[in-house]
Amino acid sequence: DTEVTQTPKHLVMGMTNKKSLKCEQHMGHRAMYWYKQKAKKPPELMFVYSYEKLSINESVPSRFSPECPNSSLLNLHLHALQPEDSALYLCASSFAQGSGNTIYFGEGSWLTVV
Amino acid sequence: QKEVEQDPGPLSVPEGAIVSLNCTYSNSAFQYFMWYRQYSRKGPELLMYTYSSGNKEDGRFTAQVDKSSKYISLFIRDSQPSDSATYLCAMTGNNDMRFGAGTRLTVKP
Repeated sequence: DTEVTQTPKHLVMGMTNKKSLKCEQHMGHRAMYWYKQKAKKPPELMFVYSYEKLSINESVPSRFSPECPNSSLLNLHLHALQPEDSALYLCASSFAQGSGNTIYFGEGSWLTVV
Repeated sequence: QKEVEQDPGPLSVPEGAIVSLNCTYSNSAFQYFMWYRQYSRKGPELLMYTYSSGNKEDGRFTAQVDKSSKYISLFIRDSQPSDSATYLCAMTGNNDMRFGAGTRLTVKP
């Protein structure tokens, strides 16, 4: 079983709603990631946090706002999303950021924007 | 040319068959190679992790890396219906990570 836990597993939200996705890991990893995955496509990197600081933002629209409250938690705040944002959102973690560090994924949060 | 090429399939085999999944890549900086298995509507699960060239075996799974050809493979022996999933190759190097498109595999009883 994955040691990266994501909640909720499913979320349906309207375009004017504000919601959050949550992620937790207790492996002592210091790098945490958000990926977006559309059907039949590989995961696409959105954000990377390294030692609780935002390290990479892959030009993601501001309607997605990440937050890393501590070394075990990662949130993704959602506001004014569009239907095309409907996807599987994956949280992942690794011991550290950078090559050679294996990335472990959570089960994902299925987001539907209506 | 994509940095990582992976045939999306679908690939359908009978139970007990040997399955061969492959990826090619163009970036010679990649040194770490992974295979993930993803069941429908689930997150990717790490199957195999190898560094540089060579083979690694874990039960029914064998990962091979040929850096000179920029070619990696995952072999599944005695395939089972429970192996039906999408298999993603991934590779990292020089602080860059890339995924293949994923190959959808169905093992028929």
